[in-house]
Amino acid sequence: SQQGEEDPQALSIQEGENATMNCSYKTSINNLQWYRQNSGRGLVHLILIRSNEREKHSGRLRVTLDTSKKSSSLLITASRAADTASYFCATAMYNNNDMRFGAGTRLTVKP
Amino acid sequence: DSGVTQTPKHLITATGQRVTLRCSPRSGDLSVYWYQQSLDQGLQFLIQYYNGEERAKGNILERFSAQQFPDLHSELNLSSLELGDSALYFCASSVGGLIHETQYFGPGTRLLVL
Repeated sequence: SQQGEEDPQALSIQEGENATMNCSYKTSINNLQWYRQNSGRGLVHLILIRSNEREKHSGRLRVTLDTSKKSSSLLITASRAADTASYFCATAMYNNNDMRFGAGTRLTVKP
Repeated sequence: DSGVTQTPKHLITATGQRVTLRCSPRSGDLSVYWYQQSLDQGLQFLIQYYNGEERAKGNILERFSAQQFPDLHSELNLSSLELGDSALYFCASSVGGLIHETQYFGPGTRLLVL
């Protein structure tokens, strides 16, 4: 079963706009990671945020984590057509050797 | 390119058969993870091996088994295949043994069971 739930399921924007994706989870976590997957290909790690961090940046990516609400958001600024992909959040839980992925948000960036 | 390799890229087989998927981790990584990705179940963690030993177990069926060899490559064996086993199978690797570390994914093996 999936731990994280992303929303929206699909997002379509114009190049240059910002894209925001959200992830909610159910149990206490060690950290939360965001991955990207181009159609039918392997996942690529984007960013990891630990449970004691609230915000993290990497290039055009900004991730926030609210452990009280059990939610995270991924913001991609100044999107490009090459950002078109599915984005997944993944959570690893304390005292549980398990990694759970959400169902993903399918992002389409139109040139 | 993540540095993780998987073979074969595609596999077509029949129900009831057995197949073996192979994964070579990034140089220096000691952990190997196996995942199944299907349309209805999403991305599911199956199993993790660390330095040759099983470290964590997820939603792996009894018909499936895996092992990690001394050279750290890993194989996932799928037997008594059913139509529902058709999916993308990914291998990932990480440096240490903690499942919440950053994982590096291979390109996947697409399995089609007819």
